[in-house]
Amino acid sequence: DAGVIQSPRHEVTEMGQEVTLRCKPISGHDYLFWYRQTMMRGLELLIYFNNNVPIDDSGMPEDRFSAKMPNASFSTLKIQPSEPRDSAVYFCASSFRGEKLFFGSGTQLSVL
Amino acid sequence: AQSVAQPEDQVNVAEGNPLTVKCTYSVSGNPYLFWYVQYPNRGLQFLLKYITGDNLVKGSYGFEAEFNKSQTSFHLKKPSALVSDSALYFCAVRDTNAGKSTFGDGTTLTVKP
Repeated sequence: DAGVIQSPRHEVTEMGQEVTLRCKPISGHDYLFWYRQTMMRGLELLIYFNNNVPIDDSGMPEDRFSAKMPNASFSTLKIQPSEPRDSAVYFCASSFRGEKLFFGSGTQLSVL
Repeated sequence: AQSVAQPEDQVNVAEGNPLTVKCTYSVSGNPYLFWYVQYPNRGLQFLLKYITGDNLVKGSYGFEAEFNKSQTSFHLKKPSALVSDSALYFCAVRDTNAGKSTFGDGTTLTVKP
């Protein structure tokens, strides 16, 4: 298995633009998590899905952030409009039955 | 509610010496406990977990962790540190009734030659 695949690896955009981050979880995993990592705030859970259904989105910063999981093999995290304070590394992770997490390599987002 | 505390932002040890990275937790039910490691510009990687059973858990790269229920701790240990162990280490806890894990703030381990 190729592991959790995230794209793009790096994203540089200007303030106000829409940003879409993509994730392909490991086949057979029933949980998918989106995390954000910054020096100031550490590792933050934004949202997680179980069997493609959003379970807890309490970590989503505000309405500018949205996430979808249309099927078991794909999820997106969208920021519209983006702001400089959204600059961070965004990780997707998947797991089976919510146990150990398998993380992707992350998307380094820079909003200028 | 569940929470994790990693009291040390930084741990420095000399190569060949034993290392300990501390973690304490709080959960309302029975805990699932995890350690992850993050190398620069990489995602977190699973090291080991405690679900039930033996309090001493062995994991990848020679690491082990000891579950102590009375002290609500799950410290990560290694008998002899390597320079290549230098990385950021995260402890995580999940209540058996919860779907998500809560991560600590991370501890930067530096092993000097």
